[in-house]
Amino acid sequence: DTAVSQTPKYLVTQMGNDKSIKCEQNLGHDTMYWYKQDSKKFLKIMFSYNNKELIINETVPNRFSPKSPDKAHLNLHINSLELGDSAVYFCASSALGGDYNEQFFGPGTRLTVL
Amino acid sequence: SQQGEEDPQALSIQEGENATMNCSYKTSINNLQWYRQNSGRGLVHLILIRSNEREKHSGRLRVTLDTSKKSSSLLITASRAADTASYFCATLDTGRRALTFGSGTRLQVQP
Repeated sequence: DTAVSQTPKYLVTQMGNDKSIKCEQNLGHDTMYWYKQDSKKFLKIMFSYNNKELIINETVPNRFSPKSPDKAHLNLHINSLELGDSAVYFCASSALGGDYNEQFFGPGTRLTVL
Repeated sequence: SQQGEEDPQALSIQEGENATMNCSYKTSINNLQWYRQNSGRGLVHLILIRSNEREKHSGRLRVTLDTSKKSSSLLITASRAADTASYFCATLDTGRRALTFGSGTRLQVQP
């Protein structure tokens, strides 16, 4: 009955590897997001999808590629991992409409690149 | 550039005291929201205040918004040890469809 779930919770990998993080929401929301939280706890939007369509793509290296097979899922694939990619990645969802945009967050995936 | 700047960065108080956190932002907004993050967890939405509102209450939370100064404050009254967490403000900027988060305030409530 978890609203927004992410897998895995922890991911430790070597530089240069390719990895994916999965996200699913069962809230019936039509918009999903990926955020990166750095070591100083600063949270920055990376991508946003609305009904499987990319609507926000911040300045993110093209090694990061989001994929939304349906509006309940938004996965993040990262190619050629670098040390600076180490962070906590959060998925979130919201019911986009009007000026109300409360977001529901997943528990986060702590990525460590060695 | 970082939208929200929060002040203070860290705050330590005794249980029962009030905690006040401030947030400043730079652009025109539709609304401003406050979120809480417990250590090692995701963010949880606390309260939203629209740009045409000046004050809002929810339980022990009180939020104010001053759009002329581009600032907001979150007051937690009668704090509890369980309120220990990081608190983030986030703005829904006019014309954007995603939130811009501040840098957060780490609140420690001593029992």
